[in-house]
Amino acid sequence: RKEVEQDPGPFNVPEGATVAFNCTYSNSASQSFFWYRQDCRKEPKLLMSVYSSGNEDGRFTAQLNRASQYISLLIRDSKLSDSATYLCVVTISGGYNKLIFGAGTRLAVHP
Amino acid sequence: EPEVTQTPSHQVTQMGQEVILRCVPISNHLYFYWYRQILGQKVEFLVSFYNNEISEKSEIFDDQFSVERPDGSNFTLKIRSTKLEDSAMYFCASSEGQRSYNEQFFGPGTRLTVL
Repeated sequence: RKEVEQDPGPFNVPEGATVAFNCTYSNSASQSFFWYRQDCRKEPKLLMSVYSSGNEDGRFTAQLNRASQYISLLIRDSKLSDSATYLCVVTISGGYNKLIFGAGTRLAVHP
Repeated sequence: EPEVTQTPSHQVTQMGQEVILRCVPISNHLYFYWYRQILGQKVEFLVSFYNNEISEKSEIFDDQFSVERPDGSNFTLKIRSTKLEDSAMYFCASSEGQRSYNEQFFGPGTRLTVL
């Protein structure tokens, strides 16, 4: 079973749409959770951390359900510039902070 | 804004050759990492490094791989005898600390092509 699983997409949405990405992780010792963004052939960049209480950053909302081992990312009012691959990332307790990446979900926002 | 830099941006080599990928982490960071991403696949952890020692390494990081901090600024990844399957994008990252809240900042990557 993959450590971090994501729907690969692509999600093709019009500008202004709301889109949601899901992610599940298999290791119950997973400690910290993040969403990264990766543009084509570029490095991953941290979008936001994900906290148990849920957190919001502008148009982006992240949720964590530890019992179900499930993480989500909601993007409201999609912009053309949101087109990218969104990576679900976890760290494991005692794991020297190595990042464990999902394969990513591709988002394409069209006019 | 401080950033991680990597050279070269693209390296082409023949199978069996040695390659050294170079990274300059952010200057006040103490923890360094290498990741790789085979085309079309996920980003995979290779190794973490602190205080001139490897903290953790993955199964991918076998005896063909080594890391070094030869001076106060550079952090290198060496592949002794490259294989076709080593073709990938290699990302260096650095962080201030080793806690999960210490963001890892990634360099732009080196694309390694093994022929």
